[in-house]
Amino acid sequence: QQPVQSPQAVILREGEDAVINCSSSKALYSVHWYRQKHGEAPVFLMILLKGGEQKGHEKISASFNEKKQQSSLYLTASQLSYSGTYFCGTESPSNSGYALNFGKGTSLLVTP
Amino acid sequence: DTGVSQNPRHKITKRGQNVTFRCDPISEHNRLYWYRQTLGQGPEFLTYFQNEAQLEKSRLLSDRFSAERPKGSFSTLEIQRTEQGDSAMYLCASTPSSKGQDNYGYTFGSGTRLTVV
Repeated sequence: QQPVQSPQAVILREGEDAVINCSSSKALYSVHWYRQKHGEAPVFLMILLKGGEQKGHEKISASFNEKKQQSSLYLTASQLSYSGTYFCGTESPSNSGYALNFGKGTSLLVTP
Repeated sequence: DTGVSQNPRHKITKRGQNVTFRCDPISEHNRLYWYRQTLGQGPEFLTYFQNEAQLEKSRLLSDRFSAERPKGSFSTLEIQRTEQGDSAMYLCASTPSSKGQDNYGYTFGSGTRLTVV
């Protein structure tokens, strides 16, 4: 089942913050976050496994809610290099360890 | 190790022709995945291997698509009698079997862009 990402697109000025959401109608085993720049392969950012978990670096972090149905990616004090499309990939308990289902992506553009 | 390698990078073919793509995963990764991505969409799962065994195949994958991973090393994806709707970026990814927090993320290759004319 494909997760739902929102918003579809975001335009920021350098230094502004953004939040990208990823939702599922059913509890998940894990959530992955990836960033893809134009013409390049998706690059792994982080994985969340536990309900209520928060992890990441100072400027890019993510959370997984207690019910394990929603995850959010937080981009703080954005830099030009953050531009790209962000995808969440979800793993359900029924196929744990197998393929991820990816959302349609959130396009992020950071301008000077 | 230089990561996941895919060849060719680009392929233009006439409708009805067969095409084959190759993926060389990271050597210690025994899980290998094929995805397809079209413009403005997220990667769409095609099939998955654990070593040489093909464990899962998407229902969206028609009989024209076949994948192999002989000896659990590189993998090939073949599309027979290509159609214009097959035009897409074909991505390969690999992971180790361990679910350690730091190494379970997919490592994607740069993909093969297929154009069917």
